[in-house]
Parts: sequence; structure tokens; C-alpha cells
Amino acid sequence: AQTVTQSQPEMSVQEAETVTLSCTYDTSESNYYLFWYKQPPSRQMILVIRQEAYKQQNATENRFSVNFQKAAKSFSLKISDSQLGDTAMYFCASSSGYAGGTSYGKLTFGQGTILTVHP
Amino acid sequence: NAGVTQTPKFQVLKTGQSMTLQCAQDMNHNSMYWYRQDPGMGLRLIYYSASEGTTDKGEVPNGYNVSRLNKREFSLRLESAAPSQTSVYFCATQNWDNFLETQYFGPGTRLLVL
Repeated sequence: AQTVTQSQPEMSVQEAETVTLSCTYDTSESNYYLFWYKQPPSRQMILVIRQEAYKQQNATENRFSVNFQKAAKSFSLKISDSQLGDTAMYFCASSSGYAGGTSYGKLTFGQGTILTVHP
Repeated sequence: NAGVTQTPKFQVLKTGQSMTLQCAQDMNHNSMYWYRQDPGMGLRLIYYSASEGTTDKGEVPNGYNVSRLNKREFSLRLESAAPSQTSVYFCATQNWDNFLETQYFGPGTRLLVL
């Protein structure tokens, strides 16, 4: 079984500043993936960034980067140069990395962090 | 190319009524999933279909049934709706031919059970 915990219900940041959202996880899988999803007020789920657990290098996507600490089971999201359009709920999620694993592609989500970017 | 579509967008039911939520995808993905999202919580998996012809329970299956009609369509049925099933329902798809793929989500169906 997998569990994902986001301990920050709400965060706020000024436009153009940097903010870090925290996530910890637990899994019995040896191969797994981690994700950050963004959910704006429209409720659409949008993939922000993903990390393969077997890769030591932290994933980056433009202004978004992660700090993946495998031993500590920590997966934080850093948003640089925050923009008003970044205002949303952010979910951390994990899934099994291979078919045949007990989690078989099923995403396990954290509770979410509401991020507000102020002008 | 619509991606993942869900109907209806919004529905109000009375306790005990039944309804079916529809999901269709044109991405030719093998796997499809149904999640529910309650206020203040992350999405939780209700049922999933790893491939056409197979379905399996997720974390919160009670009160629901599913049908994988074909590769494109995956429906979720509430036989006797209860207020506890008031939620936003998301359908998602994934192509397991490529393990780097993530899940693609539909726009959601908001369900209110009175």
C-alpha cells in the first residue's frame, strides 16, 4: 500500500517569489513514480512534474523543480518566479512503476495544498 | 481530439435514485480509472480497468459498479445514491505501453445527492 502526506493545507507567496510545497510518502514498491498535479478553480487536473524513483537526478520543468530525497521519502515541489496563474490546489501523488505490482498504475494522492499567489 | 470527456458535468439526485456517469477517451489508452474527490481531500480511487474486459476495485468501491463497455468507454453507476456520495468524480486514462506515461484526467462530474 502507498500513502502520501501533505502537511501544509495552505500556503501563500508574493508574485515573483519562490515557494516550496512539502510532500512525504510511504510505499512498499521497489519501483515507483511520484507526481505533482495542479488543480485550478476549474477543477481540471493538470500534471506539473513527475519523477521516476530510480533516477537520482531531480526533475525540472521550467519554473517547477522537485527535491527528491529517496531515503527520507520526501518529494517537495519548488515553484520559482511565482505567477498569479500558479494559484491552485497542488496534489502530490505516487504510483507503482510497473504492471503486475499491487498498485498497478493506481494513483495515491495526498490531501492537497492550496497555494495562493498574491500580486 | 477531445482527450477524456465526462458526462454529465453536474447532476442533482435524490437519495435512492440511480444514475450512470459516462467517460469516453479518444487517446487509445489501455487503462481507465474512476476517482472521487471530497472537499478538503485528495482524489481516491473507486474502480479501475487495466484493460478492455477487466475491472477491479480501488480504495472506495462500496455503492458503485462499473462497466468497461469497450476500449474507449468506462462508466460508473450508482444504483441507490446516498448523500455520502456527494462528490466530484473524475475519470482518468493511462497507456501502460509506456511506463513513463501519466494519467490524463477528464474535467470532472459534480454530483449532489439530497
